[in-house]
Amino acid sequence: AQKVTQAQTEISVVEKEDVTLDCVYETRDTTYYLFWYKQPPSGELVFLIRRNSFDEQNEISGRYSWNFQKSTSSFNFTITASQVVDSAVYFCALSEAGNKLVFGAGTILRVKS
Amino acid sequence: NAGVTQTPKFQVLKTGQSMTLQCAQDMNHEYMSWYRQDPGMGLRLIHYSVGAGITDQGEVPNGYNVSRSTTEDFPLRLLSAAPSQTSVYFCASSYSGRSSYNSPLHFGNGTRLTVT
Repeated sequence: AQKVTQAQTEISVVEKEDVTLDCVYETRDTTYYLFWYKQPPSGELVFLIRRNSFDEQNEISGRYSWNFQKSTSSFNFTITASQVVDSAVYFCALSEAGNKLVFGAGTILRVKS
Repeated sequence: NAGVTQTPKFQVLKTGQSMTLQCAQDMNHEYMSWYRQDPGMGLRLIHYSVGAGITDQGEVPNGYNVSRSTTEDFPLRLLSAAPSQTSVYFCASSYSGRSSYNSPLHFGNGTRLTVT
């Protein structure tokens, strides 16, 4: 069965600090997709990134970067030079065949000015 | 372009009452799903559908029914509400259907349900 673990319940940082959100997943499939979603205080869920199991290249988008390592079943998310607007709940999710997207419990990120 | 529309935004029910949460999307998406969000538990999949006429259970289906008579609509029915069903409910859709599973989900804005 697919499972996603986000061990960090809550993280607090001061603005401009770098922060890494951890995500560990479990799956028996060789083909799967990993996602990160952001939920700001307003409550909507915003898609950030998708990664397939055959592409282990790291990805950078502005201040955001993602590190995918199949050897450790991890898909970690780093925010560089954090800003107050980054304060949100961040969810990691895993999709196997059939598009059943399973989410982790989420990490609350608080960025203080 | 409305995207995924959920109604109502807020609802209070008494134990034992029934109700239907509505979800509609105008993107011609094959895949639709319902999640509930509870503190510390993330989003848990209730039911999902890969196309009209096809539904399947997710992680926490008990107490909920769904149907998919059209591509656009995917209502969630609470048959006999219980306090344990107090939660925020999200409907989501994606382009992926039976044959693929890699499209990002588009979420509605959620329905906050309280059962007293």
